[in-house]
Amino acid sequence: SYELTQPPSVSVSPGQTVRITCSGDKLEDRPVCWYQQKPGQSPVLVIYEDTKRPSGIPERFSGSNSGNTATLTISGTQPIDEADFYCQAWDSSTIIFGGGTKVTVL
Amino acid sequence: QVHLQESGPGLVKPSGTLSLTCTVSGDSINSANWWSWVRQPPGKGLEWVGQIYHSGSTNYNPSLKTRVTVSADKSRNQISLKVTSVTAADTAVYYCATFHIYNTAWGKSYYFDSWGQGILVSVSS
Repeated sequence: SYELTQPPSVSVSPGQTVRITCSGDKLEDRPVCWYQQKPGQSPVLVIYEDTKRPSGIPERFSGSNSGNTATLTISGTQPIDEADFYCQAWDSSTIIFGGGTKVTVL
Repeated sequence: QVHLQESGPGLVKPSGTLSLTCTVSGDSINSANWWSWVRQPPGKGLEWVGQIYHSGSTNYNPSLKTRVTVSADKSRNQISLKVTSVTAADTAVYYCATFHIYNTAWGKSYYFDSWGQGILVSVSS
């Protein structure tokens, strides 16, 4: 079965850039979505089709997907960005989530 | 804007059946969406459970397929989830969500759009 691997946690200082990776076999061959989840809340879509932002998502969120790795980048990270982030793909009618990455803004 | 509301018992006994309902407002479950269930054990990540299309087609997580059924009640605009033979490992917040699959110039793409607030179901005697 297809798997997506994320680092459990990353930390970043306010105003700096943080990159969250999501790895999978030939991941560039399939679109990747990213979701942000704050404690006690439902997930929110922040990136779809590797690079697209839904309306209302700040421009500091961006995405890329090349080779075996998709990356979510938060530029100029703000304290309100502290959350868990999940990548997601689709394989053979099965929806797959990465294990999630906790972003801590120090 | 579609609104999803999960409901059902918050406590289920081991070996019993977990039954949840998702009431949809602001959209019809006859629309071109996949109506999905996603769960999240306490302190852990998201796990896709299964989904149903307006045509009645279903897809399930292979690891849960033998125990899970997703169905639709079009007259009530509701989606249901049943998980049989539950254990403590099925304790989780269960979310109802819409999953869009669409065509692009280079193939299919997808995303989860709307989510319910989630409902915590505990499996315990």
